[in-house]
Amino acid sequence: GEDVEQSLFLSVREGDSSVINCTYTDSSSTYLYWYKQEPGAGLQLLTYIFSNMDMKQDQRLTVLLNKKDKHLSLRIADTQTGDSAIYFCAELGGTALIFGKGTTLSVSS
Amino acid sequence: EAGVTQFPSHSVIEKGQTVTLRCDPISGHDNLYWYRRVMGKEIKFLLHFVKESKQDESGMPNNRFLAERTGGTYSTLKVQPAELEDSGVYFCASSQDYGNEQFFGPGTRLTVL
Repeated sequence: GEDVEQSLFLSVREGDSSVINCTYTDSSSTYLYWYKQEPGAGLQLLTYIFSNMDMKQDQRLTVLLNKKDKHLSLRIADTQTGDSAIYFCAELGGTALIFGKGTTLSVSS
Repeated sequence: EAGVTQFPSHSVIEKGQTVTLRCDPISGHDNLYWYRRVMGKEIKFLLHFVKESKQDESGMPNNRFLAERTGGTYSTLKVQPAELEDSGVYFCASSQDYGNEQFFGPGTRLTVL
């Protein structure tokens, strides 16, 4: 099938780490992405990883890629209330991005 | 540099009416994409323009949807006649070259009553 799967909700306390998981469909995808959507705003590219990498770190963000299992994760260290948003996993499938349903991250203080 | 803009931000129409959504991509971006998110579901690809040409319209749900990009600048997406299941958020994105980062607009929230 063509479904990118994500858990729908994640709730964490401020200062904790958040881990958002995703399974994608196409083992030949060259790029895998994480987008963030804040309330009332568009989709913002948060980070991406090339398929020949296992891990990418960017400040508080760590992306892990397991190609064998087609599993992608996004870890946010020291989660802040401003991180509350919907996070979408996406893969580049030919012309277009194929998205998951999005994970709503709720951060409580 | 201005980002991708979309108009209107919200539209509420009745079933059977016509609505036209507009997207202005980032200046100089030849690639323009339309996506749609129906409530609670995935963001789904609709179509892709390269300049004024439709490169891929495999995601267009049916012939009630018509997208144009005259002159290769802004694009419009017309829904005629609108049905209840067309409700959702319509996103536009643009990129400079194929495969490059796609920059998204804020979306148009369409509600069909």
